[in-house]
Amino acid sequence: ETGVTQTPRHLVMGMTNKKSLKCEQHLGHNAMYWYKQSAKKPLELMFVYSLEERVENNSVPSRFSPECPNSSHLFLHLHTLQPEDSALYLCASSQSYPGRRHYTFGSGTRLTVV
Amino acid sequence: SQQGEEDPQALSIQEGENATMNCSYKTSINNLQWYRQNSGRGLVHLNLIRSNEREKHSGRLRVTLDTSKKSSSLLITASRAADTASYFCATAGGQGGSEKLVFGKGTKLTVNP
Repeated sequence: ETGVTQTPRHLVMGMTNKKSLKCEQHLGHNAMYWYKQSAKKPLELMFVYSLEERVENNSVPSRFSPECPNSSHLFLHLHTLQPEDSALYLCASSQSYPGRRHYTFGSGTRLTVV
Repeated sequence: SQQGEEDPQALSIQEGENATMNCSYKTSINNLQWYRQNSGRGLVHLNLIRSNEREKHSGRLRVTLDTSKKSSSLLITASRAADTASYFCATAGGQGGSEKLVFGKGTKLTVNP
């Protein structure tokens, strides 16, 4: 356990479903991140929250909707996804934003859209 | 772009040998970080080297940074089968550069017993 917990570990969903990914950290970090990792591609930064405020939104389609209710929790709400959205979704946290400190990652959620 | 680019993309060695992975980047940086990822899992931080540092050691790991060449290397000495994983460099921008942490595509290391 790294201190960043992601649930569920695996998720299979249809294109018309609505689901949410959850990330939780109890490291006292004040920045949290969502990354998407697809095969043979670099990690893609999706969203950044610093002090519970969204500071980055890298042209992510609106079918992905993040939520950060407090500094320990981060959600990624999913609806009407496409098969190309199948990937490993990684949550990370750090002591500060921007990247002046190292990130602690969760184990990821393996998402399959059918 | 600031993105780090690892080289080689894949590396296969025998247990006991040393493994060297390289990373090149394009813009000025504040620091450069190395991470390891076991198959299908999250990334684990290995080392952070600041732009004013040239070398750092941690156990069997040695990281170097050459800001004049915009490159870094990760050396794993006396490799073990358990070192099999993907290794990523990530850069955080310096003045005038993007401050977010940007990852490369990674080097897939296989250590054969």
